[in-house]
Amino acid sequence: DAMVIQNPRYQVTQFGKPVTLSCSQTLNHNVMYWYQQKSSQAPKLLFHYYDKDFNNEADTPDNFQSRRPNTSFCFLDIRSPGLGDAAMYLCATSRDHTAYSYEQYFGPGTRLTVT
Amino acid sequence: GQQVMQIPQYQHVQEGEDFTTYCNSSTTLSNIQWYKQRPGGHPVFLIQLVKSGEVKKQKRLTFQFGEAKKNSSLHITATQTTDVGTYFCAATSSSGSARQLTFGSGTQLTVLP
Repeated sequence: DAMVIQNPRYQVTQFGKPVTLSCSQTLNHNVMYWYQQKSSQAPKLLFHYYDKDFNNEADTPDNFQSRRPNTSFCFLDIRSPGLGDAAMYLCATSRDHTAYSYEQYFGPGTRLTVT
Repeated sequence: GQQVMQIPQYQHVQEGEDFTTYCNSSTTLSNIQWYKQRPGGHPVFLIQLVKSGEVKKQKRLTFQFGEAKKNSSLHITATQTTDVGTYFCAATSSSGSARQLTFGSGTQLTVLP
């Protein structure tokens, strides 16, 4: 089945120790998104890729970076995790249209714990 | 940036009762989507509304988009325990990028058997 896969599902890292979360998709969608979701809050968009075109949200901290080496894979790098970065990180994909939004398909998420 | 207000934040209902959640924006929306997130799960797309005054139904769920395209509602008739979860609206501003959804704060629905 076509889907969005995130690895790992749970990640524990130490304060200040870089961590990378991965996302892959078999939907062949050209847009991929990274969201941060804290407990009982809405998903917050960090950035998205349209093909290789990277789009950062204005309030996304510099501590968060992303890479998309090909259509199928996208990575979220947190350079120096702080305690406030503990959250669920959701990857999503969608088809693209410049004037019309398509539904987003979410992966199961990676729950990040910072100790 | 664009803000989408969603109320109520929490709703407890007895099984069989109806439930409604509302989303409001101060700016005109291009479209609005609704997602459901089960406890411990990820958001799952339910529906998208695009046209002014649009009404769509999915079994017991009725979705409406306001005439001014600034508000939307999701109504569930005769709730069941399987309806438990958080319902989010997510919108695209008519002046913004079609790729960037702004999520409402969500309504957490609890259904008591």
